Amino acid sequence: SQTIHQWPATLVQPVGSPLSLECTVEGTSNPNLYWYRQAAGRGLQLLFYSVGIGQISSEVPQNLSASRPQDRQFILSSKKLLLSDSGFYLCAWGDSGIEQFFGPGTRLTVL
Amino acid sequence: AQTVTQSQPEMSVQEAETVTLSCTYDTSESDYYLFWYKQPPSRQMILVIRQEAYKQQNATENRFSVNFQKAAKSFSLKISDSQLGDAAMYFCAYMDGANSKLTFGKGITLSVRP
Repeated sequence: SQTIHQWPATLVQPVGSPLSLECTVEGTSNPNLYWYRQAAGRGLQLLFYSVGIGQISSEVPQNLSASRPQDRQFILSSKKLLLSDSGFYLCAWGDSGIEQFFGPGTRLTVL
Repeated sequence: AQTVTQSQPEMSVQEAETVTLSCTYDTSESDYYLFWYKQPPSRQMILVIRQEAYKQQNATENRFSVNFQKAAKSFSLKISDSQLGDAAMYFCAYMDGANSKLTFGKGITLSVRP
């Protein structure tokens, strides 16, 4: 069966520091991968999605970036965090169907 | 651009009663999908139910059913025989048939009174 992992689960970072969040999927190949952010009291906002290695589409201009170095690995990064980057980050995967499966998420607090 | 609106931020229901959560959306597409996701305190997003726009029959999954009104662009979720475990945040979401990107509403917090 397929599983999706995210780490770390919780992260507290100072403003201006770098960021790296990792997402990996097991049990499937060539999945579509997604990064969402959930700000406090709001719905999920799609940040990036990828249909293959090295293929990244950005939905919202910001100081975040994403990379897909391997088929089942999706990384969310920032060179310098802003206070507004705080939130709950969810990774999801999907196959050729329409359903997306979400990971457990990472709670990021920028101080 | 597609939008999803959940105008009620909170709702409460008595255990074993029925509750309906509202959602409206806006799109010019004819091929799309609609979803309800549940986010419990653990914050794990769980798919509750989905509806294909081309299907006239409302989707049902055990105690969960939807009222899909395509012309009105309305997609409400009915939870029957509410249980304490149903307490969570519920998100309505839209997906265009041409791509796999989800657009979410702001969510509604459902509490269940014992």
